[in-house]
Amino acid sequence: EAGVTQFPSHSVIEKGQTVTLRCDPISGHDNLYWYRRVMGKEIKFLLHFVKESKQDESGMPNNRFLAERTGGTYSTLKVQPAELEDSGVYFCASSHANRGGYGYTFGSGTRLTVV
Amino acid sequence: AQSVTQLDSQVPVFEEAPVELRCNYSSSVSVYLFWYVQYPNQGLQLLLKYLSGSTLVKGINGFEAEFNKSQTSFHLRKPSVHISDTAEYFCAVRPNTGNQFYFGTGTSLTVIP
Repeated sequence: EAGVTQFPSHSVIEKGQTVTLRCDPISGHDNLYWYRRVMGKEIKFLLHFVKESKQDESGMPNNRFLAERTGGTYSTLKVQPAELEDSGVYFCASSHANRGGYGYTFGSGTRLTVV
Repeated sequence: AQSVTQLDSQVPVFEEAPVELRCNYSSSVSVYLFWYVQYPNQGLQLLLKYLSGSTLVKGINGFEAEFNKSQTSFHLRKPSVHISDTAEYFCAVRPNTGNQFYFGTGTSLTVIP
C-alpha cells in the first residue's frame, strides 16, 4: 500500500507570508495526526483528526495555524501569517481506526523555513 | 504528564562496534514505548515497540531494547553497527489510553568507517 504522503517536501517563505502543507494519509485510515519538530527539540503533537472531525487540537501553538480535513481524506495545515519560530519539520501520520494510536505510519515530513 | 529524555544528542561509533542509545521516561499513567528511526531525507520508521509481555523486544535491522520499569528506561542496543545505521533515533511513549505520542529530542548516531 502507498504510505503517508506529504507535500511539499521543503518550503522556504518570508515572514508574514502564508504556507499550506498537505498530507495524504494511507487509504482507509480514519486517524490523522500532525506533529512538528523545531530544530534541536523534540517532536511535538499538534492535533488529531478522526475522519473529518478534530479529536484533539491541544498542541496547536496559536491561531495562526489552521488544520482542515475535508471529507475525511487528505488534510491541510495552513500557517498564516508565518513567523520565524514556525520553522521546523512538520510530520503527518495516520493509523487505522481499530488499531488505536500505537501503530502509526509517518510521512517524510515537510521542512518549513521562514526567513 | 509524560516526558521522554534522551541524554545523548550525538553518538559517534566505529563500524562493527556495539552501541547503546539511552532513553528514560516519566509518566503518571501506564505507557507503551517505542523507538523510531529517521534516515536522511526519509520519514520516521518504527524500529520496535513494547506493549506488554517480555521486557526484551527485538526490532528491525538487528536492534533490540529492554524495558526496565523500576528505572523507567527503554534503552536501544545493537551488538554490531553498520554504516547504514547512521540516522537519527527517537524514543517515544504513548499512554495506553490515548493516541498522542511524546517524543524525546532524538539521538544522532554516526557510524564511522
